[in-house]
Amino acid sequence: NAGVMQNPRHLVRRRGQEARLRCSPMKGHSHVYWYRQLPEEGLKFMVYLQKENIIDESGMPKERFSAEFPKEGPSILRIQQVVRGDSAAYFCASSTLGHFGGYTFGSGTRLTVV
Amino acid sequence: EDKVVQSPLSLVVHEGDTVTLNCSYEVTNFRSLLWYKQEKKAPTFLFMLTSSGIEKKSGRLSSILDKKELFSILNITATQTGDSAIYLCAVEAYGGSQGNLIFGKGTKLSVKP
Repeated sequence: NAGVMQNPRHLVRRRGQEARLRCSPMKGHSHVYWYRQLPEEGLKFMVYLQKENIIDESGMPKERFSAEFPKEGPSILRIQQVVRGDSAAYFCASSTLGHFGGYTFGSGTRLTVV
Repeated sequence: EDKVVQSPLSLVVHEGDTVTLNCSYEVTNFRSLLWYKQEKKAPTFLFMLTSSGIEKKSGRLSSILDKKELFSILNITATQTGDSAIYLCAVEAYGGSQGNLIFGKGTKLSVKP
C-alpha cells in the first residue's frame, strides 16, 4: 500500500499561470481532503470530496480555486491565475468514512509562485 | 469562531528531557481531538481522543483530554533527537462536514543532543 500519493512534490509557477496538484488516495479510501499550510501557520481545511462529489468546499477561496475527484484517476486541486499569496504547502489526506484515526496525509505539494 | 491554540509555539530541549505540549480549543459541538507529528513531509497520526481523563500511550508519548477545561496535553518522556518535529493538534466538531479538522499552528520541538 503506497499511501497517499501527491505530485508533484514541488511546483514553481509564474504569476498568472495555472497550477494543478494531484492526489491519489490510499487504496480503499473514498474520501479525500485538501488542506493548505502557509508559512508559520497551521493546516487550513479547503475542501472535502468523495468520488464525483464535492461534499464541503467551505474552505476554498471563492475565485480561482477548484477541486475535483473523478470516478477514475486522482483528485485534482486547480489554481488558476496564481498569485504570490498562493505559495504554500498543499496537503491531501484520505480516509474511510468517519475514521479519523485512519486519516492519512500525503507528503504535500510545495507551490512557489514567482 | 472555532479555534485551536497550541503552546508553546516552539521549544528547545536536550535529549532525555520530558516535555509537555499544550492544546486548548474553543469548538462548538466537539467530537474528537487529534495529535499529529509533522517532520519534513506528511503529518503522521499519533492519537485520537474523544473521552476525558483516559490517557492514550504509545511508547514514550502519551496524551490526555480534559473536556471540561477544553484542553489536551501531549507528553514526551526521555526525548530523543528523532522527536524533533512540529506537533499538530486538531479538533473535529459535529455539525461540520467530516474531514473538516481545525488545526492549531503547531508546536515546533527541537531536541538537542
